[in-house]
Amino acid sequence: AQTVTQSQPEMSVQEAETVTLSCTYDTSENNYYLFWYKQPPSRQMILVIRQEAYKQQNATENRFSVNFQKAAKSFSLKISDSQLGDTAMYFCAFIHFQGAQKLVFGQGTRLTINP
Amino acid sequence: DVKVTQSSRYLVKRTGEKVFLECVQDMDHENMFWYRQDPGLGLRLIYFSYDVKMKEKGDIPEGYSVSREKKERFSLILESASTNQTSMYLCASRSPGEASYEQYFGPGTRLTVT
Repeated sequence: AQTVTQSQPEMSVQEAETVTLSCTYDTSENNYYLFWYKQPPSRQMILVIRQEAYKQQNATENRFSVNFQKAAKSFSLKISDSQLGDTAMYFCAFIHFQGAQKLVFGQGTRLTINP
Repeated sequence: DVKVTQSSRYLVKRTGEKVFLECVQDMDHENMFWYRQDPGLGLRLIYFSYDVKMKEKGDIPEGYSVSREKKERFSLILESASTNQTSMYLCASRSPGEASYEQYFGPGTRLTVT
């Protein structure tokens, strides 16, 4: 069974600092996608960044980047120059291309950016 | 932009009531999903639908049913609400033809069963 584990229930950093959120996953598949979703307080969940497993290059979206280690099944999210608007729940998720193509989510990390 | 809406942001129901949660998407997406979100457990899939009148059980379907009579609408039904169904419910949709596999989420319905 595919599982996703986020070992940091909560994190807190000062504005402008860099923060890294950890995620590990377990799968026997070779082709899959990984995602980081953001859920701001009382607001809709949105996609932050995605990574295709067949791509060796780490994905980057402005201040957000990932460190994808396929062999270690690790997929961490780095937020540079953190801003107050980055305060949110962050979910790591996994989908594989075969079968039902269901998203499997981690437990979430509550990130607080302090002024 | 994709828009996924849910009928209520907050809902309070009594034990034993039949509860309907409605989800509507405006992007002609074939696939729709219902998740429940609980602290420390993340999001867990209740049911999903590949297309109209098609449905499949997710990881935690017990106590729930669904209905998809029109492509844009996916309803989650709690036949007899119980206190352990107090949770945040999220609906999502996506197009299987979209190479990104991204799912688009609604704002959620926070259901309290008393």
